[in-house]
Amino acid sequence: DTAVSQTPKYLVTQMGNDKSIKCEQNLGHDTMYWYKQDSKKFLKIMFSYNNKELIINETVPNRFSPKSPDKAHLNLHINSLELGDSAVYFCASSPLTSGASSSYEQYFGPGTRLTVT
Amino acid sequence: QKEVEQDPGPLSVPEGAIVSLNCTYSNSAFQYFMWYRQYSRKGPELLMYTYSSGNKEDGRFTAQVDKSSKYISLFIRDSQPSDSATYLCAMTADSWGKFQFGAGTQVVVTP
Repeated sequence: DTAVSQTPKYLVTQMGNDKSIKCEQNLGHDTMYWYKQDSKKFLKIMFSYNNKELIINETVPNRFSPKSPDKAHLNLHINSLELGDSAVYFCASSPLTSGASSSYEQYFGPGTRLTVT
Repeated sequence: QKEVEQDPGPLSVPEGAIVSLNCTYSNSAFQYFMWYRQYSRKGPELLMYTYSSGNKEDGRFTAQVDKSSKYISLFIRDSQPSDSATYLCAMTADSWGKFQFGAGTQVVVTP
């Protein structure tokens, strides 16, 4: 069974469109993340939710809005897509349950390759 | 200067050799460290997770952390062509797991 899954795997869209990426984890983890990996393979954190609450919100354009309907799901909605948004977006989950926990390891999904034309 | 520095490679080794990878960092508060393997067009796969200084071994993989030198290493023994991938280091001081990633080192193991 896939531990962290993302849909869609590929997304090709035009500038100005709005799109969503979905992420689900069946590991029973409380914390989930969104990362962006650019063309140089550099992974940069965007957001994190712990049990549906936003805990990390990096300097990301407000066109990006995460939503966590429950602790097993974390979706990413992107408005008014721009060429520079083209990248691979990864979802990850962690057993981290609170700021005092030592279980920091993160498990990644397969990624969503977004191409904006 | 980036908080985490990692040589992008490529690092080419013959099959059976030891692969030696490392990252340096500038933030002395980092205390949680991870190593990932990423195959082309796949998600990062967690290899090793260590806390603070010391060594950790898991099969063919050994992770070392030297906090005094701000330096971490990953060694892969008896390397195989299937070990050919990009290896990413990541580290954090943040209580919510805001990890900083290195740029990744591409490893090529030749038969």
